Amino acid sequence: DADVTQTPRNRITKTGKRIMLECSQTKGHDRMYWYRQDPGLGLRLIYYSFDVKDINKGEISDGYSVSRQAQAKFSLSLESAIPNQTALYFCATSDAGQRFLDEQFFGPGTRLTVL
Amino acid sequence: DAKTTQPPSMDCAEGRAANLPCNHSTISGNEYVYWYRQIHSQGPQYIIHGLKNNETNEMASLIITEDRKSSTLILPHATLRDTAVYYCIVRVARNYGQNFVFGPGTRLSVLP
Repeated sequence: DADVTQTPRNRITKTGKRIMLECSQTKGHDRMYWYRQDPGLGLRLIYYSFDVKDINKGEISDGYSVSRQAQAKFSLSLESAIPNQTALYFCATSDAGQRFLDEQFFGPGTRLTVL
Repeated sequence: DAKTTQPPSMDCAEGRAANLPCNHSTISGNEYVYWYRQIHSQGPQYIIHGLKNNETNEMASLIITEDRKSSTLILPHATLRDTAVYYCIVRVARNYGQNFVFGPGTRLSVLP
């Protein structure tokens, strides 16, 4: 969905490096999310934010941090990358005001490899 | 703790209806059933949702049993492009404290 963009789309890095994944959205949604997906598994929630001043830990937040710089931007950082953080990372947005649905719209994903 | 149970994989012939089951025996009265799908490694895509009545949209139909303990997603005329992983999720709508939990889902293969 072009309304939710992620950069970079692919990244290879080394153990111990700091990495930032960025997400931008033009949908005007207030809620944003970061998920990771490992092969053969579903998505697991890392962090989520319901507005600029709101940050919440998800299921697997250890080793990650986030920043909600503006309503449209939500960045995920790996302070010191380790190989088991190799995964496909998805950003998503939703609008609490959209009827009652809270449907989530996903970005195209960032494939991260930590060597 | 998983709230839903889905078969890991299913096959369906092209042009036929694909019926994907989901068990959610511990669903609460205010929880909705949502279905998403993920094609290859793209971001998941919303399909449909429902509370207790059957629902239909341009993509699919959702049949929820009367006791709400299970549901079936129906793709009426499956095409090769419907090959994807399908996720069944139960969640209270607009609940600030509860997020979508995506389990392993069902891998649907539509065969020519």
